Amino acid sequence: NAGVMQNPRHLVRRRGQEARLRCSPMKGHSHVYWYRQLPEEGLKFMVYLQKENIIDESGMPKERFSAEFPKEGPSILRIQQVVRGDSAAYFCASSPLDRGPQETQYFGPGTRLLVL
Amino acid sequence: DAKTTQPNSMESNEEEPVHLPCNHSTISGTDYIHWYRQLPSQGPEYVIHGLTSNVNNRMASLAIAEDRKSSTLILHRATLRDAAVYYCILNRGSTLGRLYFGRGTQLTVWP
Repeated sequence: NAGVMQNPRHLVRRRGQEARLRCSPMKGHSHVYWYRQLPEEGLKFMVYLQKENIIDESGMPKERFSAEFPKEGPSILRIQQVVRGDSAAYFCASSPLDRGPQETQYFGPGTRLLVL
Repeated sequence: DAKTTQPNSMESNEEEPVHLPCNHSTISGTDYIHWYRQLPSQGPEYVIHGLTSNVNNRMASLAIAEDRKSSTLILHRATLRDAAVYYCILNRGSTLGRLYFGRGTQLTVWP
């Protein structure tokens, strides 16, 4: 059973370009979470999605960032007009059910975004 | 988000037990205590979780204080592969799956 997959693993963009980060959850998982980790800091929650629905986007920056989890295909985190401050590791996690506070999240290896 | 307090760093020798403490004095009755760890250049990895009773699994043990205001993650025999940042997280239903990662404890294991 393959784990959470993220691609690309490394992404280099110039300021003003768009970054698209992909996340394929574990088989059978319908809940996806995105987190961002700035250098030397802990992970910060960004958004929680279920198939075709955004459940909680309270951690998403108000501008330039968007996320989706379509009925078919991977979840996408999209960053428009990237700036140097967007350079970070972006982690995706998935879970199979919604068991509330008991639920365990399974993390992918992350995408390391570098903005030049 | 529910706050936890952990030491910034701890050290251990290989094959010795390690006790990683966590304080969570504002814990509420329905908060679960979760532990994750992050190895260098990898995504976080689930370790263990519990509510009130002590828990054991193949990776570690979780000892929860009777008043639930603190807990301890126990690695029975540290290996070099256990060197990681360990995060103690309170998971509550109101956060809709949002995990709050603090700074965690950087565990160094010496050969």
